[in-house]
Amino acid sequence: GAVVSQHPSWVICKSGTSVKIECRSLDFQATTMFWYRQFPKQSLMLMATSNEGSKATYEQGVEKDKFLINHASLTLSTLTVTSAHPEDSSFYICSAIRGTTEIEQYFGPGTRLTVT
Amino acid sequence: AQSVTQLGSHVSVSEGALVLLRCNYSSSVPPYLFWYVQYPNQGLQLLLKYTTGATLVKGINGFEAEFKKSETSFHLTKPSAHMSDAAEYFCAVTRGYGNKLVFGAGTILRVKS
Repeated sequence: GAVVSQHPSWVICKSGTSVKIECRSLDFQATTMFWYRQFPKQSLMLMATSNEGSKATYEQGVEKDKFLINHASLTLSTLTVTSAHPEDSSFYICSAIRGTTEIEQYFGPGTRLTVT
Repeated sequence: AQSVTQLGSHVSVSEGALVLLRCNYSSSVPPYLFWYVQYPNQGLQLLLKYTTGATLVKGINGFEAEFKKSETSFHLTKPSAHMSDAAEYFCAVTRGYGNKLVFGAGTILRVKS
């Protein structure tokens, strides 16, 4: 159990367009989900914390109007990169917490975004 | 604030040799500590975690780690390296439920035949 999926796994988009990435908890309900960004050869940096039914909490320095996060259900959170630019090219990984007491975060397989 | 320091961005060992990946943390509250492994272009896989209780934690694939509060360390070890262990390893800390994970910079493990 505790499987998290992401879709798409890889996406290429043109500069100026928007792209949506989905994060789903397949076999559990996730009240809280997290979105991370990982540049090549670097560690994961938290972008935002997403709670079902409420607005996401963004980390300092992350533009909330550019990275729109929606957590509409207990199994789905989406990250939309608006007006994408080449510097937004990165590996985006989501994670989810099962239930309301577990500490462990379950990670998705990641989405590689390339903006041309 | 919490932070994690992984000493050594690259570690190289021979197949069959001991693996030791170092992790030191900083936390103002009792920490919850994790080790993850990442293969290229993939997400993170949990190796092991320390929450409370026994300070020596055993994980998957023969890995283990020991929480040492006095040294603020959580080093990862494996007695005998396999070629399949070649990957990047991340140490992470969190304050507790619903709180973000703070990751170290990662250590790339290379296993030589």
